[in-house]
Amino acid sequence: DAGVIQSPRHEVTEMGQEVTLRCKPISGHDYLFWYRQTMMRGLELLIYFNNNVPIDDSGMPEDRFSAKMPNASFSTLKIQPSEPRDSAVYFCASSLQAHSGNTIYFGEGSWLTVV
Amino acid sequence: AQTVTQSQPEMSVQEAETVTLSCTYDTSESDYYLFWYKQPPSRQMILVIRQEAYKQQNATENRFSVNFQKAAKSFSLKISDSQLGDAAMYFCAYRSADNYGQNFVFGPGTRLSVLP
Repeated sequence: DAGVIQSPRHEVTEMGQEVTLRCKPISGHDYLFWYRQTMMRGLELLIYFNNNVPIDDSGMPEDRFSAKMPNASFSTLKIQPSEPRDSAVYFCASSLQAHSGNTIYFGEGSWLTVV
Repeated sequence: AQTVTQSQPEMSVQEAETVTLSCTYDTSESDYYLFWYKQPPSRQMILVIRQEAYKQQNATENRFSVNFQKAAKSFSLKISDSQLGDAAMYFCAYRSADNYGQNFVFGPGTRLSVLP
């Protein structure tokens, strides 16, 4: 069974450019999470969805960040315009509802460098 | 809001020895789940062990075991017979069982080094 699939694995972009990160959750999972990991701030929750609906986006840094989940098998995290401080590893993760199976499964991450 | 604290930014252990990583959390909920995740240099997040708060028995997975103290809101991880492959960042995590708000809250992590 395929795990959480993220793309791209690595991206280097110039400041001001638009960045789109993509995620395919594990089939059947009804929760999807976007996390950002940096040395300074650790693992931060940006946003999470339940049944394709955004539940909590309070972790989204600012209006430059947006996330969508048009269907149960696909989500995007977009940064426009990108800035050097956005450089981080972005993880997508998915899970079943807590009582049904509570483990969170992570993708391998998208390493973003903004120069 | 729930918070997870890991007071040990770094730990080291001699190969074959035992080490305990600390985790405390703050919550007003009675039903929740706790986890330990391992992140090796590859950055892949790997589940190590999990605990349901309603279970009094401490979870064990081979060389990994937890000491879950619900009243004290403490959830420590013990690694026995440490191996070089155990070197990684370890994250403690909390998940609410409430129908609303089932996000995972992670602690800041503990970097474990295993000395040969």
